[in-house]
Amino acid sequence: SQQGEEDPQALSIQEGENATMNCSYKTSINNLQWYRQNSGRGLVHLILIRSNEREKHSGRLRVTLDTSKKSSSLLITASRAADTASYFCATVNAGGTSYGKLTFGQGTILTVHP
Amino acid sequence: NAGVTQTPKFQVLKTGQSMTLQCAQDMNHNSMYWYRQDPGMGLRLIYYSASEGTTDKGEVPNGYNVSRLNKREFSLRLESAAPSQTSVYFCASSPALQGATGELFFGEGSRLTVL
Repeated sequence: SQQGEEDPQALSIQEGENATMNCSYKTSINNLQWYRQNSGRGLVHLILIRSNEREKHSGRLRVTLDTSKKSSSLLITASRAADTASYFCATVNAGGTSYGKLTFGQGTILTVHP
Repeated sequence: NAGVTQTPKFQVLKTGQSMTLQCAQDMNHNSMYWYRQDPGMGLRLIYYSASEGTTDKGEVPNGYNVSRLNKREFSLRLESAAPSQTSVYFCASSPALQGATGELFFGEGSRLTVL
């Protein structure tokens, strides 16, 4: 079963606008990661946030993590047409039989119109 | 730097045929993974290898076998292909040992169709 659930499933915006994607998960985590996948390509790692961190930045990306709500958000500021892709959150469970394995959500399809 | 290389990129099989997907990484990573990606299902873990000489089942291992040939190579075998195995398969690797899984590096995918 999927650990992470992204919301919305699809997002369409204009170039220059900000894009926010959300991810919810069910069990305690070690870390949460965001990946991007361009059409027909492999996934590319964007950012990792550990369970003891609340916010992290990388260029135009900002990730927040709220472990009390078991949720994370990815904000892309000043979006560009090249940001058009699918975005996935992935979690590493903190314990139990799934310890150490990365589990992906179903993804958010982001379309940025020029 | 090639990263993670998968072969073949495309394959069409008939039901019951067998085939092996090959994966190699040149980053000296300890851990390697096989995922499948289906529309609306995200990525699901088939098998993983935390280190050379070990393999473990993931979420959807039925119908597949794996071999960690050496530190660089991790192959996925379909012994008797079924239409339900039509999917895009991704190999990935990470430097971290089991229990400290970090960032994954993915190959470009292998698109398999089973008729």
